[in-house]
Amino acid sequence: EPEVTQTPSHQVTQMGQEVILRCVPISNHLYFYWYRQILGQKVEFLVSFYNNEISEKSEIFDDQFSVERPDGSNFTLKIRSTKLEDSAMYFCASSEGGAWFNYGYTFGSGTRLTVV
Amino acid sequence: DQQVKQNSPSLSVQEGRISILNCDYTNSMFDYFLWYKKYPAEGPTFLISISSIKDKNEDGRFTVFLNKSAKHLSLHIVPSQPGDSAVYFCAARAITGGTSYGKLTFGQGTILTVHP
Repeated sequence: EPEVTQTPSHQVTQMGQEVILRCVPISNHLYFYWYRQILGQKVEFLVSFYNNEISEKSEIFDDQFSVERPDGSNFTLKIRSTKLEDSAMYFCASSEGGAWFNYGYTFGSGTRLTVV
Repeated sequence: DQQVKQNSPSLSVQEGRISILNCDYTNSMFDYFLWYKKYPAEGPTFLISISSIKDKNEDGRFTVFLNKSAKHLSLHIVPSQPGDSAVYFCAARAITGGTSYGKLTFGQGTILTVHP
């Protein structure tokens, strides 16, 4: 079964450092997402990406965050200057369609980001 | 943001019996609802979904019921198996302003434990 692949599985970084989280979505999918889950809290939407641009973003996704699809397969989330509160599990997801597509979204297994 | 709520943090069920997981929502713009299952250190795995134009959807041991007037949905697992033990998340998607790129709003999750 096709998978969404995320690397690394765990990243530890110093506060103030930049991190890039990487994702390889399913090849025929067109919509890409980042979500995060702070320990003990809900899974929260960060951003959606379609047709090489951000289509929707949450309040969490401020100027410190950016996303990119640098080539035909990778989808990255960059945090420019990490804060302690950025420590969370970050999930990438992809889907064949957006709003009008009734199907499950496929999530990756996540990257655990620890900011120290 | 309490648009999707799962009021039971945990549920314990005997193997072979029915598990009923509940979810309430407040946003009347939600048009599509999904249930995800999550094991520790893994991403959410899609289980089953339902469109707002339906009141029931069944897939094997899993059935989702939607009561739009009560803004309530439930997931029934029959019969429950020890392998079903996981965290179950309810999620919803809204059409906002006539467009949506598929952002999901998640509940807090319910930990299901199925005892042999």
